[in-house]
Amino acid sequence: EAQVTQNPRYLITVTGKKLTVTCSQNMNHEYMSWYRQDPGLGLRQIYYSMNVEVTDKGDVPEGYKVSRKEKRNFPLILESPSPNQTSLYFCASSLGAGGQETQYFGPGTRLLVL
Amino acid sequence: GIQVEQSPPDLILQEGANSTLRCNFSDSVNNLQWFHQNPWGQLINLFYIPSGTKQNGRLSATTVATERYSLLYISSSQTTDSGVYFCAVVGFAQGGKLIFGQGTELSVKP
Repeated sequence: EAQVTQNPRYLITVTGKKLTVTCSQNMNHEYMSWYRQDPGLGLRQIYYSMNVEVTDKGDVPEGYKVSRKEKRNFPLILESPSPNQTSLYFCASSLGAGGQETQYFGPGTRLLVL
Repeated sequence: GIQVEQSPPDLILQEGANSTLRCNFSDSVNNLQWFHQNPWGQLINLFYIPSGTKQNGRLSATTVATERYSLLYISSSQTTDSGVYFCAVVGFAQGGKLIFGQGTELSVKP
């Protein structure tokens, strides 16, 4: 089944404890990205990747890192999480990077930082 | 940047009723998608529809790109249709970044 997977789905952590949210797609997509969803602020892009080893900042990149060493994986790294990073996170992917294809979203990761 | 406005913000329906959700966008777009966010938070793809009309069961969508709006029609609504419906667009020369509207929260009562 073609899909985008994320792990973990739910995570409670404490301020400053490094964490990684994994994202994987099995559709051979070039484009992958991360969004966060917050009440009143909607969904906003954090980082995106046009292809392997090519990443760039979205609208709200502060406090996050990403890497794209393989085409299928695009992990989101929080080096020192803070309470304002409590959010619902989505990974997405599409076949091309031009914005003219359907983007598929993962199931989401709910993060609570205490 | 592109602005995306959805209306109405909230909608309450009786099961079996029909509804129309609207999405206006402020500039030409490469991509327009409709999503349903279910009560568990998952974003479900409904349509990829930068122009034209598509139908999928009880749902259909129409985008009039020249007039910068899209409509999502839900017919014979069911309680499982409840949730938030998002419209999202990608502008030209914006790469793949989706700009989301604020959503329409739909509640279907039995």
